Amino acid sequence: SQQGEEDPQALSIQEGENATMNCSYKTSINNLQWYRQNSGRGLVHLILIRSNEREKHSGRLRVTLDTSKKSSSLLITASRAADTASYFCATVPGANSKLTFGKGITLSVRP
Amino acid sequence: NAGVMQNPRHLVRRRGQEARLRCSPMKGHSHVYWYRQLPEEGLKFMVYLQKENIIDESGMPKERFSAEFPKEGPSILRIQQVVRGDSAAYFCASSPDGAQPQHFGDGTRLSIL
Repeated sequence: SQQGEEDPQALSIQEGENATMNCSYKTSINNLQWYRQNSGRGLVHLILIRSNEREKHSGRLRVTLDTSKKSSSLLITASRAADTASYFCATVPGANSKLTFGKGITLSVRP
Repeated sequence: NAGVMQNPRHLVRRRGQEARLRCSPMKGHSHVYWYRQLPEEGLKFMVYLQKENIIDESGMPKERFSAEFPKEGPSILRIQQVVRGDSAAYFCASSPDGAQPQHFGDGTRLSIL
């Protein structure tokens, strides 16, 4: 069953703008991860946030986690055309177990 | 350092044939995960293996699908008597010790005629 649900389903922005993507999930988690997928390629891990963390940064990426609301957000600042891709959140219920993915968000960044 | 290698990248089979998908994990990784992605969908977990052991196969269809990760060589996902509904992209991921994050290959796109 689908654990994570991202919104919006599709997002189109201008280069230089910020992109915010949201993910909600249903059951308790050990950690939550965000991945990027370029067309025809595999997934690239972006960032992992543990259940006891509230915010994490990596370069132009900022991830927040609200376990009381069972939600996370991914912010990409100063977007570039190269950020155009599908973005997925994935939850992990235990330390060593499978990833459960949402359906993904299609981000288009217009040059 | 080579990443996760999957082959073939594209595989075409006729209904009723067998499909064999291979995954070589990153060097030093002994944990392998298989996922399936249908068009416009997220990835769905299929099976989690360690060397010579199946740890979690809760996402594997009960019939026609099997997976192995032998002591030597790549992990194999095998689909017998393929049907049209098996058409999908199959991704393999690996990790060094079962801890996250997982590293993904570029997938095998399986098409059933």
